[in-house]
Amino acid sequence: NAGVTQTPKFRILKIGQSMTLQCTQDMNHNYMYWYRQDPGMGLKLIYYSVGAGITDKGEVPNGYNVSRSTTEDFPLRLELAAPSQTSVYFCASSYPDVEGRGTEAFFGQGTRLTVV
Amino acid sequence: AQKITQTQPGMFVQEKEAVTLDCTYDTSDQSYGLFWYKQPSSGEMIFLIYQGSYDEQNATEGRYSLNFQKARKSANLVISASQLGDSAMYFCAMREGREYGNKLVFGAGTILRVKS
Repeated sequence: NAGVTQTPKFRILKIGQSMTLQCTQDMNHNYMYWYRQDPGMGLKLIYYSVGAGITDKGEVPNGYNVSRSTTEDFPLRLELAAPSQTSVYFCASSYPDVEGRGTEAFFGQGTRLTVV
Repeated sequence: AQKITQTQPGMFVQEKEAVTLDCTYDTSDQSYGLFWYKQPSSGEMIFLIYQGSYDEQNATEGRYSLNFQKARKSANLVISASQLGDSAMYFCAMREGREYGNKLVFGAGTILRVKS
């Protein structure tokens, strides 16, 4: 199993450009998440999905969009990139245990994005 | 209100000694889960240990144990016999109740440095 795979690992964008961060998982997890981590800080939730076709906003969704057409893939779209979106982006997945409680989240390696 | 508080921005520990990393949380749910993650300088997020709110025993995983004090709403990570490879950022995180999507909320983290 590859686990959670993110591409690209690094990217530099100019202000106003757009891009899509790719995320795929091969563990058949229902739940998927996008977090951002600013320097020296914890992770903040951008968007999440509980299954194909179902997405919802997290704590910091402005400036981002997501889609979930398959169980495996959960791309994050940045429209009109701004310097405030300079961050490390993590995709993660998890699944409910037999009692419906959440298990640990499995993380991708992260995408380091710089907007200049 | 901050849901996860890690009050120690940085900690030093001598190799082979034990160290405790503090975490307090805030929730009104009866059912919740607490997680600790390690983030080495390479950037990946590594799951260490999990404690469920109904678990009667403190969780242990090898050299990691979780000192869970429910009444005080604290979930401190104890690392025994520290090794140089334990130098990293450590994050405490919480899943509240059976909240839709089992999202994790992260603390700001504690940087641990192990001295030889």
